[in-house]
Amino acid sequence: AQTVTQSQPEMSVQEAETVTLSCTYDTSESDYYLFWYKQPPSRQMILVIRQEAYKQQNATENRFSVNFQKAAKSFSLKISDSQLGDAAMYFCALTGGNEKLTFGTGTRLTIIP
Amino acid sequence: NAGVMQNPRHLVRRRGQEARLRCSPMKGHSHVYWYRQLPEEGLKFMVYLQKENIIDESGMPKERFSAEFPKEGPSILRIQQVVRGDSAAYFCASSRWTSGNTGELFFGEGSRLTVL
Repeated sequence: AQTVTQSQPEMSVQEAETVTLSCTYDTSESDYYLFWYKQPPSRQMILVIRQEAYKQQNATENRFSVNFQKAAKSFSLKISDSQLGDAAMYFCALTGGNEKLTFGTGTRLTIIP
Repeated sequence: NAGVMQNPRHLVRRRGQEARLRCSPMKGHSHVYWYRQLPEEGLKFMVYLQKENIIDESGMPKERFSAEFPKEGPSILRIQQVVRGDSAAYFCASSRWTSGNTGELFFGEGSRLTVL
């Protein structure tokens, strides 16, 4: 069984500052993928960033980057230069390769103007 | 290129009625997934389908819930004799299976079911 744990139900950050959202996971798969999804008030799930477990290099997408610590089974998301539009629920997710995702319980991010 | 389309966006049913939720995957996608999101929770996997086949229904309740993805037309998630605990947002996602390349699901905007 796979599990994903997000220990921060809520986070807030000043606009233009940097924030890090935490995620730990557990899986018995040797090959797997990790994701961060954003869910704004519109509720649509939007892929923010993905990481293949076999890749040592941390994924980066513009202002979004991850810190992937495979041995520690940790996958945190760093948002730089936070913007008001970043306010949303953020979900960490894991799949063993068949797109059957296991999601964490989410972190609600508030941006303070 | 339209994204994943779900309808209805909102559905209200009384206890004991049936709910049908529809999902049209992205063009070129032959894999459909249904997830359920209870308030203040993450999404929980329900079922994975390909055209005319249920691949994995391990997350689907054994009773009252069924899903199909016919050769023609949208995927349907059907909930019979709804109860208040079925109230949730139901998300559909699709993917284009490419061997050796996995992971990205494209989600619809969800269907919110309210059971009175």
